[in-house]
Amino acid sequence: AQRVTQPEKLLSVFKGAPVELKCNYSYSGSPELFWYVQYSRQRLQLLLRHISRESIKGFTADLNKGETSFHLKKPFAQEEDSAMYYCALSEGIYNFNKFYFGSGTKLNVKP
Amino acid sequence: GAVVSQHPSWVICKSGTSVKIECRSLDFQATTMFWYRQFPKQSLMLMATSNEGSKATYEQGVEKDKFLINHASLTLSTLTVTSAHPEDSSFYICSASNPSDTDTQYFGPGTRLTVL
Repeated sequence: AQRVTQPEKLLSVFKGAPVELKCNYSYSGSPELFWYVQYSRQRLQLLLRHISRESIKGFTADLNKGETSFHLKKPFAQEEDSAMYYCALSEGIYNFNKFYFGSGTKLNVKP
Repeated sequence: GAVVSQHPSWVICKSGTSVKIECRSLDFQATTMFWYRQFPKQSLMLMATSNEGSKATYEQGVEKDKFLINHASLTLSTLTVTSAHPEDSSFYICSASNPSDTDTQYFGPGTRLTVL
């Protein structure tokens, strides 16, 4: 069953424009949601997680249990934000902290 | 920070041979590691969970006899692709959880396998 859905394969915005990368999940328990980023030719790295409610590189994401969403937002996109972004869901310690990833969204920030 | 390495970074082999990929946690001990497969322009697909000192648990549809996983120590897990075929060509990525921060997984750089 598809646990994490990222409906957009590619998102192109101009520098300085707001950006929102969508993520919806399907899970009956209490999920732990994450955003991972993969810059060109680099490994996956954690961007942020919902439990810490932090802002990293200007990005924020709010877990909306009613809409089962965890959209990633940034008010003013920068060219260096261009990368692949993956939303991930963890089933927590009761299932070995397994992660399930969405299909990813490529963000292209144009100058 | 938590660092995970993989070796080799790329490998080319002939069809029918076996290939071993290593995943190491460099600055922490990982009781659990994970193996993923990533096809071009697609997402990561969880293959199996590697548990130190016990058998790996495989996701549905992943052949355990094809993809042998051994987690011999708290810092090393290996994935062996047995009798490799061209359809096994892919990007294989491992990750590990730091016991002090089990919510987060740290990823290796990946291994590009090409089977001729």
